[in-house]
Amino acid sequence: KAGVTQTPRYLIKTRGQQVTLSCSPISGHRSVSWYQQTPGQGLQFLFEYFSETQRNKGNFPGRFSGRQFSNSRSEMNVSTLELGDSALYLCASSSTGGFSYEQYFGPGTRLTVT
Amino acid sequence: GNSVTQMEGPVTLSEEAFLTINCTYTATGYPSLFWYVQYPGEGLQLLLKATKADDKGSNKGFEATYRKETTSFHLEKGSVQVSDSAVYFCALNAGGTSYGKLTFGQGTILTVHP
Repeated sequence: KAGVTQTPRYLIKTRGQQVTLSCSPISGHRSVSWYQQTPGQGLQFLFEYFSETQRNKGNFPGRFSGRQFSNSRSEMNVSTLELGDSALYLCASSSTGGFSYEQYFGPGTRLTVT
Repeated sequence: GNSVTQMEGPVTLSEEAFLTINCTYTATGYPSLFWYVQYPGEGLQLLLKATKADDKGSNKGFEATYRKETTSFHLEKGSVQVSDSAVYFCALNAGGTSYGKLTFGQGTILTVHP
């Protein structure tokens, strides 16, 4: 079974631009979660989608948004990029997103904002 | 709120040494607990999990026991290899409405020398 895939793997953007990242979950998984990883803040939860609905959201500004499609693929968008948005963005899929279910992570998208 | 605290790193060991990485948590209710490992330039890989008190998760020689009385989930391995060099993350899912949300510790860097 193919793992979680994320595209692109690397991105360089300028302050003020917007960016869209894509995540394809493991086949059959309906829950997709997104995380931001930085050296200073560690791994922080952004949001989770299940069956095209956002069920949970972390403490990030409204510039961070996401969506999920009917095939469970998910995208996240960051508008008006700031230098502090430079990070590794990880998505993870789970069969249900329930608390006892493990999440499987993709390789991440490395975003650099200049 | 929910939180995870891991022992300060980095940890440096010689091959075949015994490994312990301490992890304690704060959560309401009965969370599920996980250990993930991250190799350079990659996403997170699930190492093991435990979903209720006294459960022992194990995989690839690594073990961790869910101790409710001490709110701990320490990772152990009897004999480490150079290939175990990576960053290790302890995480919890608090259940309830925490759909798809893992709360991570800050990570512990492990370096194993031949």
